[in-house]
Amino acid sequence: EDQVTQSPEALRLQEGESSSLNCSYTVSGLRGLFWYRQDPGKGPEFLFTLYSAGEEKEKERLKATLTKKESFLHITAPKPEDSATYLCAVRPGRAGGTSYGKLTFGQGTILTVHP
Amino acid sequence: DADVTQTPRNRITKTGKRIMLECSQTKGHDRMYWYRQDPGLGLRLIYYSFDVKDINKGEISDGYSVSRQAQAKFSLSLESAIPNQTALYFCATSESIMSSYNEQFFGPGTRLTVL
Repeated sequence: EDQVTQSPEALRLQEGESSSLNCSYTVSGLRGLFWYRQDPGKGPEFLFTLYSAGEEKEKERLKATLTKKESFLHITAPKPEDSATYLCAVRPGRAGGTSYGKLTFGQGTILTVHP
Repeated sequence: DADVTQTPRNRITKTGKRIMLECSQTKGHDRMYWYRQDPGLGLRLIYYSFDVKDINKGEISDGYSVSRQAQAKFSLSLESAIPNQTALYFCATSESIMSSYNEQFFGPGTRLTVL
């Protein structure tokens, strides 16, 4: 069974204080690890897709990295507007079966950045 | 205009009532999904559809049904609503399974309260 665990559950930072969010996963044949941002009362917004260990992607103050067992979302010099819930999801790569192509989400990390 | 729209955005109903949530998309995607989100439980898949003639149960389909009226429309019905179906419901879309880009795009959500 595919599993995604995110830590910490909640993270409070001061503006400018860099940190990282963790996403640990077990999946049969990873065919994509996805990061989303979700603001309160809104739908998740796509940030990154990572496909293979060693891959990195960046967007403004965010940088996502991937290993064979986990992914990190690094936040450099965060601002209050970076406050949101960050979701991680994995897509299995095995063909056939009922889970092929579906995403399994973690519970998310609630990030709060204080000015 | 938003690529994925959901109606209604908020709904309060009573136990035993039948209710339908609607989703429309202008992204031209083949695949559509319905999720519910509860605090601490993350996003859980209710139903998904690979194309108009293909409907599949997700991990929590009991008490729900769906209809794929067209490529662009996917409706979720609660046949007889119960209080533990109170949640935030999201519709999402993605490209075909053969595409290299499988990120899901989410609608703004429907907040459903069952009294």
